[in-house]
Amino acid sequence: GAVVSQHPSRVICKSGTSVKIECRSLDFQATTMFWYRQFPKQSLMLMATSNEGSKATYEQGVEKDKFLINHASLTLSTLTVTSAHPEDSSFYICSARFWTDTNYGYTFGSGTRLTVV
Amino acid sequence: AQSVTQLDSQVPVFEEAPVELRCNYSSSVSVYLFWYVQYPNQGLQLLLKYLSGSTLVKGINGFEAEFNKSQTSFHLRKPSVHISDTAEYFCAVSQNTGGFKTIFGAGTRLFVKA
Repeated sequence: GAVVSQHPSRVICKSGTSVKIECRSLDFQATTMFWYRQFPKQSLMLMATSNEGSKATYEQGVEKDKFLINHASLTLSTLTVTSAHPEDSSFYICSARFWTDTNYGYTFGSGTRLTVV
Repeated sequence: AQSVTQLDSQVPVFEEAPVELRCNYSSSVSVYLFWYVQYPNQGLQLLLKYLSGSTLVKGINGFEAEFNKSQTSFHLRKPSVHISDTAEYFCAVSQNTGGFKTIFGAGTRLFVKA
């Protein structure tokens, strides 16, 4: 249980275009999702917290207008990288918080490798 | 605010030897603690977690970790490693109130040699 599906797994786009990454909770409702960015050989850096039905909360230094987050339903959050540039190339990972009467934790998507050329 | 420190960036070890990956954390509120493993170009897989109760937590693939509140540590151990355990390991801390954000350590690269 508590599976998150992230798509696409890899995307290559031209500089200046926008890319949308989807994160879906398959077997539970995710009121809160998180978006992370990971540079090569580095840890995951939290970009923003996405709450269903409300605006995302961005971490300091993350450009809200560049990384648009939409969490319109309890099973889907999207991250759109707008006007992408080569420096946006990175590995993006989503995560969702889940809890039941007997379990609590975070489940992660398989990640999206974005390459901007 | 919380923070996580993984004391070793790389840990080389021979196959079938024991290993310990160290993790220390700081937080002003109660936290949950996690260890994740990441293989190249993949997402994170949960190894184990501490929410409450017994301080010795057993996870998948023969890993275990011990929560030590006084030392604010959550070290990961395995008595005998395999080549397939070669991967990046992340310790993570999550607030159990408020925003429930998860903060990750810098990661430890476990390299198992034949």
